[in-house]
Amino acid sequence: SQTIHQWPATLVQPVGSPLSLECTVEGTSNPNLYWYRQAAGRGLQLLFYSVGIGQISSEVPQNLSASRPQDRQFILSSKKLLLSDSGFYLCAWSPGHGGTEAFFGQGTRLTVV
Amino acid sequence: GDSVTQMEGPVTLSEEAFLTINCTYTATGYPSLFWYVQYPGEGLQLLLKATKADDKGSNKGFEATYRKETTSFHLEKGSVQVSDSAVYFCALNTFNDMRFGAGTRLTVKP
Repeated sequence: SQTIHQWPATLVQPVGSPLSLECTVEGTSNPNLYWYRQAAGRGLQLLFYSVGIGQISSEVPQNLSASRPQDRQFILSSKKLLLSDSGFYLCAWSPGHGGTEAFFGQGTRLTVV
Repeated sequence: GDSVTQMEGPVTLSEEAFLTINCTYTATGYPSLFWYVQYPGEGLQLLLKATKADDKGSNKGFEATYRKETTSFHLEKGSVQVSDSAVYFCALNTFNDMRFGAGTRLTVKP
C-alpha cells in the first residue's frame, strides 16, 4: 500500500533562517506531488505541484521554492523565512494520471518567530 | 482557472441535526469532485468522491451528488454526531491539479 511521510511535525524557526521540509511517498511510482499551506483558520493554498522529477509548477510568487530530486521525494525550501511564512504545511500525492484524489501527509506546523 | 467555492462557516449544529454544506465549482474540463475532512492538528482525509455527473459519493453517513447542471457537489448528512466536528473541504481535480475550497468548520454540540 502507498504511504506518505512528511517531517518534521512541528518546527519553530527565527526570521531570516533557512527552511527545508521533506516529503516522501512509498508504494507508488511517478506520483503527482503537491505542497499546500494552510494559514490559521484559513483554507488550503496550493503552493507547488510536480508531475515528474525536476518539473515544478509554482502557483504563487513568494519566499518559498520546491524541488523534486527523486521520483518520490518533494522538498519545500526557503533561504530566509519571513513571519508571514508561518502556517501548517501539507504535502500530498495523487496517481499520475489526473482526475483522482490526493492523499495527504500529517502536516508540518511551522512557526516563524 | 478551475476553482471551488464552498459555504462559509462556522456551522454549529446540535447532535442528530441535518447537515448541508454547499459547494459549487468552476472548471474548464470534466473534474472529479471530492470532500475531505480535517481533524485538529492533522492532515486531510478523503471522505467521499464522485468522478462523473450524477454520481453519488457516500461514506460514514455523508453523501454528495455530482450535479453538472448546477455545477454543485453539496455535502449532506441526515444526523450528525459530536464526532463529526471537524473542518470540511470541497475539492476538484482536473488533469493533474487539485484545488480546494476555503473549508467549513463544523461544530456539533451534544
